[in-house]
Parts: sequence; C-alpha cells; structure tokens
Amino acid sequence: QVQLVESGGGVVQPGRSLRLSCAASGFTFSSYGMHWVRQAPGKGLEWVAIIWYDGDIKKYADSVKGRFTISRDNSKNTLYLQMNSLRVEDTAVYSCARGGAYCSGGSCYNFDYWGQGTLVAVSS
Amino acid sequence: QSALTQPASVSGSPGQSITISCTGTSSDVGGYNYVSWYQQHPGKARKLIIYDVSSRPSGVSNRFSGSKSGNTASLTISGLQAEDEADYYCGSYTSSSTLVFGGGTKLTVL
Repeated sequence: QVQLVESGGGVVQPGRSLRLSCAASGFTFSSYGMHWVRQAPGKGLEWVAIIWYDGDIKKYADSVKGRFTISRDNSKNTLYLQMNSLRVEDTAVYSCARGGAYCSGGSCYNFDYWGQGTLVAVSS
Repeated sequence: QSALTQPASVSGSPGQSITISCTGTSSDVGGYNYVSWYQQHPGKARKLIIYDVSSRPSGVSNRFSGSKSGNTASLTISGLQAEDEADYYCGSYTSSSTLVFGGGTKLTVL
C-alpha cells in the first residue's frame, strides 16, 4: 500500500535552517509529482511546493519562495524540503502528498495520498 | 494568492443533504476545472473525495458530489451520516501554476 512518512521536524530558532524528508513506498515514486503542504496550529491548509516527477519543474507558494527548496531523489524514493531563513510564521505540521502520475498542468494538483506530517516549530 | 472562501461551519441532521461552497476568482476556481475537495478527520490522514470539480476517486461514496458555477465550486453530501462529521477543504489550481486552498469548513452532524 502507498505510504508517505515524513521526518526531520523539530524546534528551531528564527533565521535557522531545517531539512524535511518524506520516504515513499508502495508505488513507483519516480512517476509522480510530489507536494509539500503545511497546516499551522488551529489553521487551515497551505500549499507549499510541487516538484514534477522528473524533478525538472518546481513551483512554490509566494510565502516561501526564495527561502524553501523542494527536491527529490528518485533512487531513494525520497522527497525533501530544505527550509532556510525560517520565520515564526513557518510553524506548522508539514505533510508530503502525492500528485498525479506523468501529469502536466492542473492534473498534477490532486493529492490522492498524504503523510501524517512532521511538526516544525520556529521559536526563539 | 488569497485563500479560497469557505463557510467556517455547516451542520445538518442524519439523512439530510448539505452543501459547502468554495469561492475564488477567475484566476483559480473560475478559470480551470481543477477543483478538489479533501476530508480531514482529527488524527487521521486526509482523504481526497472529489477531484477535477466533480470526479470521485475509486472507493469514495457516491453521496459526495461536486460542481462548479462561475468562480464558486460546491461540495454536496447527501444522506448525511455521523461519520461525515469532519473538516472539509477545497483546493484549486491557479494561473500561477500553484494551488490555493480554502480556509476549511467544519461539518457537524446534529
């Protein structure tokens, strides 16, 4: 069965960096676009970033552009999120989600499987 | 990109039907047929229940249906059941090739 397991969260000071990982199993990882989505405590969902199945195309939410970098290692079936210059407002549970297979455009943005998430707390 | 607008809460009795709206702009909801809906129970994995405005993934009950008119998408749940009590989020593809979510709607089954 499809499994997505995030790791790497923790407590970090403002301005510092953190790298999240998402280990995928149960499907052909290299065929799917992958996303990061976050949810601040008591708040709604916020889409963070997408990476195409081959890693060629990456898109980011304006709130993280220039600070966060999404990447993937298809040989390790792992998705990453490098978070630099962290801010208090980045505090959230970060989840990875699977998008479409060999997709393009809007069809890449339906999330059919989600991980349970990892908590990132930015605090001084 | 501003969040899509959803009602904060809706409620209904078992057996009734409810509709949750999701309002955006011509740059997202109104411009593309890529609206999706997600169900979130506390402590459980989020579930895709509608994609591409009105398509249902395999295994999702046909009590869930989606539609769109102009800049507003809607999720209708018919034959309301206690297990439907959850948070519901809409999401839409945007003209910037990003995704924007709604603020979420808490459904209470009375």
